[in-house]
Amino acid sequence: DAGVTQSPTHLIKTRGQQVTLRCSPKSGHDTVSWYQQALGQGPQFIFQYYEEEERQRGNFPDRFSGHQFPNYSSELNVNALLLGDSALYLCASSQQGDSNQPQHFGDGTRLSIL
Amino acid sequence: GDSVTQMEGPVTLSEEAFLTINCTYTATGYPSLFWYVQYPGEGLQLLLKATKADDKGSNKGFEATYRKETTSFHLEKGSVQVSDSAVYFCALKLRGSARQLTFGSGTQLTVLP
Repeated sequence: DAGVTQSPTHLIKTRGQQVTLRCSPKSGHDTVSWYQQALGQGPQFIFQYYEEEERQRGNFPDRFSGHQFPNYSSELNVNALLLGDSALYLCASSQQGDSNQPQHFGDGTRLSIL
Repeated sequence: GDSVTQMEGPVTLSEEAFLTINCTYTATGYPSLFWYVQYPGEGLQLLLKATKADDKGSNKGFEATYRKETTSFHLEKGSVQVSDSAVYFCALKLRGSARQLTFGSGTQLTVLP
């Protein structure tokens, strides 16, 4: 049973560029959440997708956008990259109807902005 | 707003020592509480959880008790191993499946042989 998978593992971009990160949820999960983890910090919630719609959003600018596909996989897009966007981006999946079950995390995408 | 405060690290212990990592929370509702562990180069793994007051979560020798009166969820282990070296995160989640996790800043644990 595959867990949460993310791609790519590492990515290097320059300021002003755009990036797309991808996530496939754990089998049986229909909800995907994205988190940003800066070096030495705890993860910060970006947004959550369910039924192909953004359901909840954290305190992140509109440069951060996302999408969920009919197969429940998801993408995180970041436009006009800033140096401060350098971080580990984590995807977590869960099942919407089972609030007592924890989210399962992928290993993340390490994004470096030069 | 909701928040989690963790004991600042890093924490360095000798093998077989007793471990405590303090965690307190502030929440507008009645949260579920979690401890996650992150090994180098990896994502987060759920270590244990508790969903209501006085619940004790336990896993792999780690324990934490949900204390509503002190709004705390301290992580403990009686005898740590070198393999326990990792970063530990305390987190809360408010009721309702759409609610996101709110994390503390993490505590780096190093266990020396």
